[in-house]
Amino acid sequence: DAEITQSPRHKITETGRQVTLACHQTWNHNNMFWYRQDLGHGLRLIHYSYGVHDTNKGEVSDGYSVSRSNTEDLPLTLESAASSQTSVYFCASSDTPAGTQHFGDGTRLSIL
Amino acid sequence: SQQGEEDPQALSIQEGENATMNCSYKTSINNLQWYRQNSGRGLVHLILIRSNEREKHSGRLRVTLDTSKKSSSLLITASRAADTASYFCATAPEYGNKLVFGAGTILRVKS
Repeated sequence: DAEITQSPRHKITETGRQVTLACHQTWNHNNMFWYRQDLGHGLRLIHYSYGVHDTNKGEVSDGYSVSRSNTEDLPLTLESAASSQTSVYFCASSDTPAGTQHFGDGTRLSIL
Repeated sequence: SQQGEEDPQALSIQEGENATMNCSYKTSINNLQWYRQNSGRGLVHLILIRSNEREKHSGRLRVTLDTSKKSSSLLITASRAADTASYFCATAPEYGNKLVFGAGTILRVKS
C-alpha cells in the first residue's frame, strides 16, 4: 500500500543547530506540503511543492527551507533552530493541489 | 490566516449520542473536506463535499454544506469511544490552489 513516512518521529536539538526532517511518499503524488501544528493555531503551512524542482513559501516559512529533487521526497530544513520552532511537523501529499491530502504521522521536534 | 473556523472548540458526549461539529469559512470554495486526527497521529481524510453538493454520507458520517451561509457541519451518529479525536475542516478556495485548515474541534466520547 502507498504511504507517506516521516523521520525521525522525535528529535531534540539545541538552538542554532541545523535540523533536517525527512518526508517520503510512495503515492507518486506531485504535490507535497509541510505543516506545523501548535496548540491554538491548528495546522499552518510552511512550504509546499507542486513537482520536482518546484518549491513555494507558505504562511510561516521564515527560518525553514525545502528542496524537491525527486517526486518521492521533500525534506524540510531548519537552517538555525530557534526555540519558537519547537512544534509537531506534518508532511502531506496529494494528487491535485487542493485535493485530498495524505499525512505522515508527524515529527515532534523540541529545541532547547 | 485560517479560512475555516470550527465550532465548538471542544465537545464531550456519551457513547451512543450524536456529535455535531460546524465549520465556517470566508471565501468561495471549490470543495470542503473533513479530517480526523487521533492523538499522536497524522490527519486522516474522512469526506470531501464539492461546492455544488448539499449533503454527503459515509457510514455514520453526514456532512452538509450551505454555500450561501459559508458553513458546513459534520454529524457523527451513534458515537463510539473510538471516535474520540480532533476533527478539522479544510477548504479549497475557488481561486486558490491549496487547502486551508481550521483549528479543529476536540471530540471526547465517554463510554
